[in-house]
Amino acid sequence: EAGVTQFPSHSVIEKGQTVTLRCDPISGHDNLYWYRRVMGKEIKFLLHFVKESKQDESGMPNNRFLAERTGGTYSTLKVQPAELEDSGVYFCASSQDGGAYEQYFGPGTRLTVT
Amino acid sequence: AQSVAQPEDQVNVAEGNPLTVKCTYSVSGNPYLFWYVQYPNRGLQFLLKYITGDNLVKGSYGFEAEFNKSQTSFHLKKPSALVSDSALYFCAVRLLPYGNNRLAFGKGNQVVVIP
Repeated sequence: EAGVTQFPSHSVIEKGQTVTLRCDPISGHDNLYWYRRVMGKEIKFLLHFVKESKQDESGMPNNRFLAERTGGTYSTLKVQPAELEDSGVYFCASSQDGGAYEQYFGPGTRLTVT
Repeated sequence: AQSVAQPEDQVNVAEGNPLTVKCTYSVSGNPYLFWYVQYPNRGLQFLLKYITGDNLVKGSYGFEAEFNKSQTSFHLKKPSALVSDSALYFCAVRLLPYGNNRLAFGKGNQVVVIP
């Protein structure tokens, strides 16, 4: 069974540019999550999809972040325009239905905004 | 508000000695608790979870954790550490039953196993 995959693994962009991160969850997992870890700090929740619907987006920092999950398969997270404080590692995770199921994480995308 | 505390930044242990990584949580209600490990240049890997039932849960790679409700703790343990256990360990909590599925993480503990 393939795990959660994320693309790209690294991205270096300049302040003001746009970046789109992609996440492919484990096949059959309706729940998809985005998290972010800023250097040396806790991993913070960003949002949660159930299929194509946003179940909880209360962790999104501001309206420069836009997440989509068309068709309930892969998801994209766009940052536009990027700011310096957006630098960090963005993790995607997926899980089966139900609160007892663990979330499986992808390798993360390291975003550096210069 | 819910939070997870991992009080130590780094845990150093000699190979073959017992390893303990501490975690305490602060939530109302009955939490679901998780431990994840991150090896260099890899994503987070699930180790084990406590949902309900036996307070001692066993997970991958010989790790186990004990849920202690009175002390609101969920410490991760391994009887005999290996050099390959050197990694970053994260404790996480999810609120049950009316919370959403989000995980709240501790800041992580770097474990260094010394040969």
